[in-house]
Amino acid sequence: DAGVTQSPTHLIKTRGQHVTLRCSPISGHKSVSWYQQVLGQGPQFIFQYYEKEERGRGNFPDRFSARQFPNYSSELNVNALLLGDSALYLCASSLGGLLSYEQYFGPGTRLTVT
Amino acid sequence: AQSVTQPDIHITVSEGASLELRCNYSYGATPYLFWYVQSPGQGLQLLLKYFSGDTLVQGIKGFEAEFKRSQSSFNLRKPSVHWSDAAEYFCAVGVRGSQGNLIFGKGTKLSVKP
Repeated sequence: DAGVTQSPTHLIKTRGQHVTLRCSPISGHKSVSWYQQVLGQGPQFIFQYYEKEERGRGNFPDRFSARQFPNYSSELNVNALLLGDSALYLCASSLGGLLSYEQYFGPGTRLTVT
Repeated sequence: AQSVTQPDIHITVSEGASLELRCNYSYGATPYLFWYVQSPGQGLQLLLKYFSGDTLVQGIKGFEAEFKRSQSSFNLRKPSVHWSDAAEYFCAVGVRGSQGNLIFGKGTKLSVKP
């Protein structure tokens, strides 16, 4: 079975622009979580979606938003990009419920903001 | 607030030597605990997990970890390191009641000497 897939792999944007990152979960997984990983740090939780509803949100500004589609894929949107948004954005999928904690990560999208 | 501390930023071991990576957590209840490994430019791969029960858990690639409640620790061990184990290792705790929210440590980079 295919693992978690993310697109694009790399992205370069200019300050003030908007970006959309995409994630497809493992088949059968209904929950998707998004993380931001700044160089030299561990991942930081941004959002979790389960059955198309937001179930958790980390300490990120409203410029960050996400949604989950009926096929359980997900998008992360970031508006008004700042230089500090440059990071590896990781998507993780899980079965949901208690097993939401057992997460399987995609390869990430490397976002560079100039 | 919940937190995860990985005291060692960088560890170098010789191939064939044993390995122990330290992880301490701060959490008010029995935690869900995880170890992930990240190779350069890659996403995170789940090595092992602890939800409850036996405090010594076995994972993939010959890794094991032991949950010690009295020390708030969940150290990762491997009896004989291979050159392919060189990577960054992250310890994480699952926040109960906030499904999908994993709190990660800052990681320990493992280098392996031939």
